Amino acid sequence: SQTIHQWPATLVQPVGSPLSLECTVEGTSNPNLYWYRQAAGRGLQLLFYSVGIGQISSEVPQNLSASRPQDRQFILSSKKLLLSDSGFYLCAWSAMDREVQPQHFGDGTRLSIL
Amino acid sequence: GENVEQHPSTLSVQEGDSAVIKCTYSDSASNYFPWYKQELGKRPQLIIDIRSNVGEKKDQRIAVTLNKTAKHFSLHITETQPEDSAVYFCAASWSGNEKLTFGTGTRLTIIP
Repeated sequence: SQTIHQWPATLVQPVGSPLSLECTVEGTSNPNLYWYRQAAGRGLQLLFYSVGIGQISSEVPQNLSASRPQDRQFILSSKKLLLSDSGFYLCAWSAMDREVQPQHFGDGTRLSIL
Repeated sequence: GENVEQHPSTLSVQEGDSAVIKCTYSDSASNYFPWYKQELGKRPQLIIDIRSNVGEKKDQRIAVTLNKTAKHFSLHITETQPEDSAVYFCAASWSGNEKLTFGTGTRLTIIP
């Protein structure tokens, strides 16, 4: 069966510090991968998605970036964090298919910026 | 692009009663409609989904109905229990689109 791992679970970072969040998927090949952010009590904001190695689509211009160095690895990064980057970051995957497939979420990283 | 509206934003239901959450979508090309449940502090979990070739799908106490003509779909939870308390998100997409467009969520509270 497929599993998705995200780490760390929680992170407290000072303003201006760098960020690296990692997500890996097991049990499937060539998945679509996604990064979402969720502010407290709010909805799901799609940040980036990837349909293959090295292929990244950005949905919201901001100081975050994403990379997909391996088929089942998706990384979210920032060079300098802002206070507004606080939130719950969720990685998700879906199977690549002719028909739309459901997305499955990881357990998330709760990021607090001080 | 696709736009999904979800109502109500909050819903309180007496335990044992039914709950209904409604979503409307704008793009007639949409043909896939999942529903996610997110408990406090947890990840969203897929609870049921429906494709446009059917009008209704059931899984125990949960059902989803789809009206393609009116472009709306609904989540029905019967015999509600305290563990049904959560935020529910609807979403829509279409074949060839890798993204889901999510609704803004409904906070469902089951009153014991």
